Amino acid sequence: DQQVKQNSPSLSVQEGRISILNCDYTNSMFDYFLWYKKYPAEGPTFLISISSIKDKNEDGRFTVFLNKSAKHLSLHIVPSQPGDSAVYFCAASGGRGGNQFYFGTGTSLTVIP
Amino acid sequence: KAGVTQTPRYLIKTRGQQVTLSCSPISGHRSVSWYQQTPGQGLQFLFEYFSETQRNKGNFPGRFSGRQFSNSRSEMNVSTLELGDSALYLCASSLVLAITNEQFFGPGTRLTVL
Repeated sequence: DQQVKQNSPSLSVQEGRISILNCDYTNSMFDYFLWYKKYPAEGPTFLISISSIKDKNEDGRFTVFLNKSAKHLSLHIVPSQPGDSAVYFCAASGGRGGNQFYFGTGTSLTVIP
Repeated sequence: KAGVTQTPRYLIKTRGQQVTLSCSPISGHRSVSWYQQTPGQGLQFLFEYFSETQRNKGNFPGRFSGRQFSNSRSEMNVSTLELGDSALYLCASSLVLAITNEQFFGPGTRLTVL
């Protein structure tokens, strides 16, 4: 039962352009969402988060948008850089307390120089 | 400040054996969570420990168990290994008891079951 879904396994973008990564969730109890970035042979690293009381959160080149009615969030990277090439996971939590996060299957982003 | 460390980094076992993986959280972090990562499944939550108590558990069979020690270090055990247990096992630590706290991940233990 995949409660968090990333339907695009891969994405290629030219350097300098916008990268948009999408994530859908099914559980309406989720109230906190995060994006993680993962390089090969390393653990995921936290990128940006958003609480359900907001619909947008920005941190430098990274912006996360949350559409609660559609149960959809997206990560925008502008401008994209070759160093952004990695696997991006979205994650969601809420409703049960504690640190139980539900992760998507990941989107592999390639930024072409 | 040292990050989350996991040992061993790589492990090869055969079906039916058991395995124990270790995770040392960042100093001061009391919450440790374990995840299984397989291709096509993303990260699947196994369980979370806080102050030596299992607080949350994912949907995995009883062959998967864990524990946390008084120094917050955690171990995960898988008994009667199956081929499908081959995966990257990640642990993550966070500072306090709250869902809004960032989790810091270790590099993972790559388990191969033959």
